[in-house]
Amino acid sequence: DIQMTQSPSSLSASVGDRVTITCRASQSISSYLNWYQQKLGKAPKLLIYTASSLQSGVPLRFSGSGSGTDFTLTISSLQPEDFATYFCQQSYSTPLTFGGGTKVEIK
Amino acid sequence: QVQLQQWGAGLLKPSETLSLICAVYGGSFSGYYWSWIRQPPGKGLEWIGEINQSGSTNYNPSLKSRVTISVDVSKNQFFLKLSSLTAADTAVYYCARGGEGQLGYNWFDPWGQGTLVTVSS
Repeated sequence: DIQMTQSPSSLSASVGDRVTITCRASQSISSYLNWYQQKLGKAPKLLIYTASSLQSGVPLRFSGSGSGTDFTLTISSLQPEDFATYFCQQSYSTPLTFGGGTKVEIK
Repeated sequence: QVQLQQWGAGLLKPSETLSLICAVYGGSFSGYYWSWIRQPPGKGLEWIGEINQSGSTNYNPSLKSRVTISVDVSKNQFFLKLSSLTAADTAVYYCARGGEGQLGYNWFDPWGQGTLVTVSS
């Protein structure tokens, strides 16, 4: 199985901050990396697919980059509605696997 | 706009079998893989497996011996059965639409609302 490691596991930030979350794969997964946002008590929501493609309807302040084993999710200017947990997921091979999550909290 | 609605029993005893249903509304059922994913309370996400309209399945090896995913195309529904339950199977279970069968392009969108399944004697 491909192991996905996210860092940090949590962070505190203020509205307007630039936030970067990292996801590392245990082997190369090309660009087959997806990002999700999950708010408390809700299902995850797709933000980014194939590393850098923005899902329809997702604000432009979200962006993704990377390839191979190292990937980042960036929120350019954190908004109040962005406080949530973020997960990465590899779609390179089955079993499909997720990172452990990064909780973004209010500073 | 595709929407997924899921339901099933929420409280089960050890050794029993979990059964969940996911119905797909407002879009094409054919041409996609349909997945089940679970999340233990306060923890991360685990992919359980997937099925397409032809009944072709892929399972997570960690659960394969206990999982059955099936489909009823006439009703635009797919199903999850997980047998020999233990407390470790307590989780929120989600259904979700996956990709079109090309590996690499298998992300999950949209998702069902989730069903909390608690396994307790």
